[in-house]
Amino acid sequence: ETGVTQTPRHLVMGMTNKKSLKCEQHLGHNAMYWYKQSAKKPLELMFVYSLEERVENNSVPSRFSPECPNSSHLFLHLHTLQPEDSALYLCASSQELADIYNEQFFGPGTRLTVL
Amino acid sequence: RKEVEQDPGPFNVPEGATVAFNCTYSNSASQSFFWYRQDCRKEPKLLMSVYSSGNEDGRFTAQLNRASQYISLLIRDSKLSDSATYLCAVKRGGSYIPTFGRGTSLIVHP
Repeated sequence: ETGVTQTPRHLVMGMTNKKSLKCEQHLGHNAMYWYKQSAKKPLELMFVYSLEERVENNSVPSRFSPECPNSSHLFLHLHTLQPEDSALYLCASSQELADIYNEQFFGPGTRLTVL
Repeated sequence: RKEVEQDPGPFNVPEGATVAFNCTYSNSASQSFFWYRQDCRKEPKLLMSVYSSGNEDGRFTAQLNRASQYISLLIRDSKLSDSATYLCAVKRGGSYIPTFGRGTSLIVHP
């Protein structure tokens, strides 16, 4: 049981495709995050939103484009990806961005393979 | 030096053993600390926050050593179901974004 859902769970795409990842949180949180997790590497923060406003863009290539239409939904639009972009993409939420004691709640992730 | 470092392991222990992991952080302004558990091909889930005075939850004990800049996680009476990767996360003062370590893999065998 999770308060953060992600679709699709698995995605295989070619380098010329365009696809979108979707995240929805049912926890009433104000902050949402996108992370990339590659094998044997730490979680890499990609984007942070607080109340639908982007507050951090962690030097992510422009082929990744986030969208946050409201505080419950977060999208990651993908286009012209590279094989090295294959990874597990995790969405997370937390109650308040400014509270450093808040923990993060993660969705199950989308396992992306770029051919 | 990486901001948050963990020994990737794997730590291979028999059931019933006691095992401990450390996580070191480089920024002395770090203020909040967490341990997450991540099962194979699943998402990280919060195991416990780490408080200044140390805290315990059943078989799990978390400690913070500010002088040496590390947190620890002790697991007593290991169970097969404890097999997972344990991630530490650190937030420094003035930043609301946690930095994660790469995780320590634990394998508990019969």
